[in-house]
Amino acid sequence: DAGITQSPRHKVTETGTPVTLRCHQTENHRYMYWYRQDPGHGLRLIHYSYGVKDTDKGEVSDGYSVSRSKTEDFLLTLESATSSQTSVYFCAISSGRRQETQYFGPGTRLLVL
Amino acid sequence: SQQGEEDPQALSIQEGENATMNCSYKTSINNLQWYRQNSGRGLVHLILIRSNEREKHSGRLRVTLDTSKKSSSLLITASRAADTASYFCATVFNTGGFKTIFGAGTRLFVKA
Repeated sequence: DAGITQSPRHKVTETGTPVTLRCHQTENHRYMYWYRQDPGHGLRLIHYSYGVKDTDKGEVSDGYSVSRSKTEDFLLTLESATSSQTSVYFCAISSGRRQETQYFGPGTRLLVL
Repeated sequence: SQQGEEDPQALSIQEGENATMNCSYKTSINNLQWYRQNSGRGLVHLILIRSNEREKHSGRLRVTLDTSKKSSSLLITASRAADTASYFCATVFNTGGFKTIFGAGTRLFVKA
């Protein structure tokens, strides 16, 4: 999986609790992305990063924040989890500019009760 | 929506047959990519075709792009049971910064 790991791989949490998902890469790629995948919607971009401390919003960013303090790590935080955030979350990386191939992590399955 | 849309949503074929999936989009693109996702796994990049290209091949995969119709097709020849997966097209376009939009995918089932 192109040197990308995600943790945890599975998580069950309760509504209102904060949750942090971690993406770690060993490829030294500049761009990192967080997507969510839901039935019938494909993948939707939550946030992305184009360098350390450089992040921007995607199409479904409400309720999520991100941080990137090191090239290799990109954190996604749900400040106060809601049931609508139950989903599978994928991290992806790309080496060059945003139009190039993306390499995906194995995903994190999150259930918010 | 500028999202790429795949057609059909699901496809079931016999091993050895060819599988064709289509992707349509609404705005001019920089490139179009196809990805495969096996159940419970992340997406894997298959092939990228740029807006000035019309056809590309990779092994048993053939991708065509018709920018006048804003559509692309992915052909898998001589399918195998191991090709069973979901296939997604991703359109990349520039709106003052590059953006990638994934479609909802085609679920392919290849019967042995």
